[in-house]
Amino acid sequence: EIVLTQSPGTLSLSPGERVTLSCRASQSVSSTFLAWYQQKPGQAPRLLIHGASTRATGIPDRFSGSGSGTDFTLTISRLEPEDFAVYYCQQYGNSPMYSFGQGTKLELK
Amino acid sequence: QVQLVESGGGVVQPGRSLRLSCAASGFTFTTFAMHWVRQAPGKGLEWVAVISGDGRDKYYTDSVKGRFTISRDNSKNTLYLQMNNLRAEDTAVYYCAKDGSGYGSFEFWGQGALVTVSS
Repeated sequence: EIVLTQSPGTLSLSPGERVTLSCRASQSVSSTFLAWYQQKPGQAPRLLIHGASTRATGIPDRFSGSGSGTDFTLTISRLEPEDFAVYYCQQYGNSPMYSFGQGTKLELK
Repeated sequence: QVQLVESGGGVVQPGRSLRLSCAASGFTFTTFAMHWVRQAPGKGLEWVAVISGDGRDKYYTDSVKGRFTISRDNSKNTLYLQMNNLRAEDTAVYYCAKDGSGYGSFEFWGQGALVTVSS
């Protein structure tokens, strides 16, 4: 089973800042099968990025994803007030098996 | 637009059963695999089960194998999760999600149904 570890656990930032979130896999993950989600309190998760770097429909271009192998990142180029939320990475592997990272919380400084 | 609406959540005693439903609209239901994903209170996300578009192929996470059954009625555009022999650790918000075909992702999510297992 592939374990995804996200870091840091919590980030305190201000609107306008740039942020990079990390997702590290315990073994190599195909870039095709790496996704990122945003979840706000009391809401369902929303798909942001699939295929490691492709934005989902309607996602602003301030969100970008990159990486390969075991190291992936989600970057928000300039934080907007609505971006303060929890972010999860997720991978799909054989069996099939789907797993999520434990999440990174972006909080307002 | 895609809509997924879960129902059937509630409070149930350990060892009892519950069935969740997810009504889908806004896309060709039979074309897509569908998933159940859950989130325990204050915790992260956990994939539970997936079913293929034609309903023939089903897969589960280990902790629910033999207790949960995923199914679908394509004539009603509805996804189900039959949960038997429920345990306290099954307490969670259960989301149905549309498969992001080809990418192993969860493209759209319902609003969730809370299942509480407690005596």
